[in-house]
Parts: sequence; structure tokens; C-alpha cells
Amino acid sequence: NAGVTQTPKFQVLKTGQSMTLQCAQDMNHNSMYWYRQDPGMGLRLIYYSASEGTTDKGEVPNGYNVSRLNKREFSLRLESAAPSQTSVYFCASSTGGPNNQPQHFGDGTRLSIL
Amino acid sequence: AQSVAQPEDQVNVAEGNPLTVKCTYSVSGNPYLFWYVQYPNRGLQFLLKYITGDNLVKGSYGFEAEFNKSQTSFHLKKPSALVSDSALYFCAVRDRGDYKLSFGAGTTVTVRA
Repeated sequence: NAGVTQTPKFQVLKTGQSMTLQCAQDMNHNSMYWYRQDPGMGLRLIYYSASEGTTDKGEVPNGYNVSRLNKREFSLRLESAAPSQTSVYFCASSTGGPNNQPQHFGDGTRLSIL
Repeated sequence: AQSVAQPEDQVNVAEGNPLTVKCTYSVSGNPYLFWYVQYPNRGLQFLLKYITGDNLVKGSYGFEAEFNKSQTSFHLKKPSALVSDSALYFCAVRDRGDYKLSFGAGTTVTVRA
């Protein structure tokens, strides 16, 4: 059981380039999330998808777009990368609903923008 | 609005000694509270959660946490720390009825042999 799988694991981009980060879960979860992790700031929510067909902005959505492709997959796109988007990006999933179930995380994508 | 504070950036303890990682939270309603652990180059792993009921919650790897409503705290504890407990620990809160989880900045725990 792979859980939450993120690709790629590492990426270096130049300013202005675009890129899509992929995330897939095999736990039949309804909700999926994208976070970024920066030193000393914990995890900040970029976008989330409460269920298939819906997406909503989180705390730091500017410069990003998302697509909930199907129940399993939730992608994050940087249309024009900026150095401020250098970060570690985590995808997570949960059973769904504003409930008490924990989120399950992938191992992250380490993104550097030069 | 909801938020989490982890007042200590780093906690250092000797192996075999008790370990405590502090967390305070703020929510408008009743909280769901979580602790996660992160090892280098890995994602976050769930340790334990508080939903309701008993204020002392037991979780994975011998960890437990105590919910204190009056102090709005949810401190993580382990009676006898191991070197392998060295990692980054995150406290998180969700207001009931909200999808979003808010994380603290994290506390780096170092357990020396």
C-alpha cells in the first residue's frame, strides 16, 4: 500500500518556468490537500479539495493553481515560478469531511527556483 | 480563525529522560488536536489525536499528550526518550466543522545518547 505518492521528488526551475507537481493516493480518500513547508513556518495550506470536483483556496494560494483530476489525483501547478516559491511541497489526503481523522502525507517535492 | 503556537524551537534531552514538547492553540469552537512527527526527507507521520473524552491521549511509539482546556494546551510527552525520537514535531488544530488543519512552526527534538 503506497499511501500518498508525489512526483517528482526534486526539481530545479528557472524563474518564469512552469511546472506541475503530481499527487496520487490509493486509500480511497475523499479530501486532498497541498501544503508548503518553509523553515520556521510549519506547514501552510495552499489549496485543498474537500471532495472530487471541488477545490478551495487555503492560506497561501497566490501563484498556484490546482486540479482535482479524479478521486485519486490532485495536482498543483506553478504557472510562472518565482524564487519565493522555493520550498518543500507536501500533498496529503484524508477520509473527508470536517471530521477527526488525521491526514496522511506524501514524502514531499523539494523545489528550487533560481 | 484557528492557530497553534509551539513556543520552543528546540528541545534537547538525554536518552532515558522524560520528553515534553509544548503546544498551545486557539480556536473559536471546540478543537480537534493532532501531533505529527517528521523525520529527515520524509513526510509527516501521525502520532496521536484528541477528539473528546479523556484528557490524556495515548499514541504511537510510547507518546502521549495531555489536553488542558483551561490552558488551551496540548503538550506531547514521552516518559523515557530514545535517540530514535530525534525528529521534528508538529502540533496541529482543526476547528470542528472546518476542513482546514493549522500547524505550529514545529519543534526540533534532539535526544542525546
